[in-house]
Amino acid sequence: SQTIHQWPATLVQPVGSPLSLECTVEGTSNPNLYWYRQAAGRGLQLLFYSVGIGQISSEVPQNLSASRPQDRQFILSSKKLLLSDSGFYLCAWSRGGPSSYEQYFGPGTRLTVT
Amino acid sequence: LAKTTQPISMDSYEGQEVNITCSHNNIATNDYITWYQQFPSQGPRFIIQGYKTKVTNEVASLFIPADRKSSTLSLPRVSLSDTAVYYCLVEVGGSQGNLIFGKGTKLSVKP
Repeated sequence: SQTIHQWPATLVQPVGSPLSLECTVEGTSNPNLYWYRQAAGRGLQLLFYSVGIGQISSEVPQNLSASRPQDRQFILSSKKLLLSDSGFYLCAWSRGGPSSYEQYFGPGTRLTVT
Repeated sequence: LAKTTQPISMDSYEGQEVNITCSHNNIATNDYITWYQQFPSQGPRFIIQGYKTKVTNEVASLFIPADRKSSTLSLPRVSLSDTAVYYCLVEVGGSQGNLIFGKGTKLSVKP
């Protein structure tokens, strides 16, 4: 069966510090991978998605970046965090290919920028 | 991408049937309608997906009229554990699966 892991579960970082969130998927090959952010009381905002190694599409311009160094690894980074980067970050995967597949979400990372 | 509109919140009582309607006026021919459920501090969970008419699974039914400009998620006999936010999404067929989540409908089930 497939599983998705995210870490850390919670993170408190000062403004201006770097960020690295990691997501890994097990039990599937060549998945589509996604990073979402959810601010308090808001819906989910798609940040990045990837259909393959090294292929990243950005949905929202910001000070965040994403990388996919391996097939089932997706990393969200920032060089300098802003207060507005606080939120609940979710990684998700779906089966690859040009079809409509459901997405499976990880447990999320609660980021607080102070 | 098709935009969806759904009520911000709904209240219900245990044992009742709950219907949440979503409008998607500019849905395209290849688009699918998908519903997700989200509990606090968890990622959304897929509930049901449909293209037209009616789809039923073990947790919900999805009704889609012929013009496909709206859809209704039906939850039979809700319980307290169904209290969650429900998102209606239009998923572009043939896309890479990138979804647009709105604010969803916050369903509160009372005893």
